[in-house]
Amino acid sequence: GAGVSQTPSNKVTEKGKYVELRCDPISGHTALYWYRQSLGQGPEFLIYFQGTGAADDSGLPNDRFFAVRPEGSVSTLKIQRTERGDSAVYLCASSPLGGGAETQYFGPGTRLLVL
Amino acid sequence: AQSVTQLGSHVSVSEGALVLLRCNYSSSVPPYLFWYVQYPNQGLQLLLKYTTGATLVKGINGFEAEFKKSETSFHLTKPSAHMSDAAEYFCAVSDRASYGKLTFGQGTILTVHP
Repeated sequence: GAGVSQTPSNKVTEKGKYVELRCDPISGHTALYWYRQSLGQGPEFLIYFQGTGAADDSGLPNDRFFAVRPEGSVSTLKIQRTERGDSAVYLCASSPLGGGAETQYFGPGTRLLVL
Repeated sequence: AQSVTQLGSHVSVSEGALVLLRCNYSSSVPPYLFWYVQYPNQGLQLLLKYTTGATLVKGINGFEAEFKKSETSFHLTKPSAHMSDAAEYFCAVSDRASYGKLTFGQGTILTVHP
């Protein structure tokens, strides 16, 4: 079956530009997570959706970052006025219901490079 | 806040040798524990997890891990390394009372040489 997909796989942009990163979770999964992985580090939590609502956005680094999931499936992570420090791999994961014991299924990530 | 420590950012073993990747967590209440593997240009894939019950957990590709509460550890082992095991391995935890937010260690790159 189809796994989690993310587009684009790579994105190069200039400092100050706006970018959107898309995540298609596994069909039927109500829980969706975004993580950010900087070079040489483990992934760090950004935001969690349960259905259409952002249940926990405590990991978003500042107000330039925003994410939506309007119909409870596809999610978009939006970054305004990009900075060089935003360069990282952005990972999306989904799980059936949400819960600490559930396995999260990860997409391949979007590699963002801000010049 | 939870923290996860993976001792050794790089581990190198010979093919056929024992693989031991170390993971310690900080929580006083044992969390759920996970090991993920990341192959180049691929997403994270679950190797195994501990939620409850038997503390020795078996996963895919011959890996296993043992939860030791007294040592706050969840080390990953494989008796005999294969060249295809070369990858980056991440230990992660999730609070039992939470919705599943994962806190990851910094990762260990495993190199297997002939």
